[in-house]
Amino acid sequence: AQTVTQSQPEMSVQEAETVTLSCTYDTSESDYYLFWYKQPPSRQMILVIRQEAYKQQNATENRFSVNFQKAAKSFSLKISDSQLGDAAMYFCAYRSASSDKIIFGKGTRLHILP
Amino acid sequence: GAGVSQSPSNKVTEKGKDVELRCDPISGHTALYWYRQSLGQGLEFLIYFQGNSAPDKSGLPSDRFSAERTGGSVSTLTIQRTQQEDSAVYLCASSPKFHGSSAGELFFGEGSRLTVL
Repeated sequence: AQTVTQSQPEMSVQEAETVTLSCTYDTSESDYYLFWYKQPPSRQMILVIRQEAYKQQNATENRFSVNFQKAAKSFSLKISDSQLGDAAMYFCAYRSASSDKIIFGKGTRLHILP
Repeated sequence: GAGVSQSPSNKVTEKGKDVELRCDPISGHTALYWYRQSLGQGLEFLIYFQGNSAPDKSGLPSDRFSAERTGGSVSTLTIQRTQQEDSAVYLCASSPKFHGSSAGELFFGEGSRLTVL
């Protein structure tokens, strides 16, 4: 069974600095999708960024980028120029290409220090 | 509606009572998911529905939990004989059919917070 592990329960970063959130996963499959979701204090979860495993190029969305290391089964999220609005829980998620089931890690709570 | 709607937003019940949580997905979305979020436990997968296929119930924690999706749209998660450990936020999400650039994006509701006394 696939698993997703986020080893950092909480992190803090100074405003305008860069922070990297870690995620590792375990799978025997070669084709899959990885995601980072953000859950602000308001509770509604939104998609931050997505990576297809067959793509070697790391996904980027404005200040958010990933470092996808397929061999190491690692999928970290980098947030550049951190802003107060980035404070939230961040969840890493996995979906195999052969199933619609999506599993999540336990999340990392990110604090932004003014 | 514009987004995924869940009701009730908050529910307080007594141990042993049954509860029903409702999810109204985005119109046209074929997939619907239920997750449970407990403090410090992340999102625990419960069940998902995809079109007319049999649902994947592999995450339901016990036979007290069940869910149905009527007409490929609204879903109800039912918890029978509630226990205190059932207290959590229950999140519903829907998704368009997986392909292309939309593959895998879940659209979440705001959740139903269940408190079992």
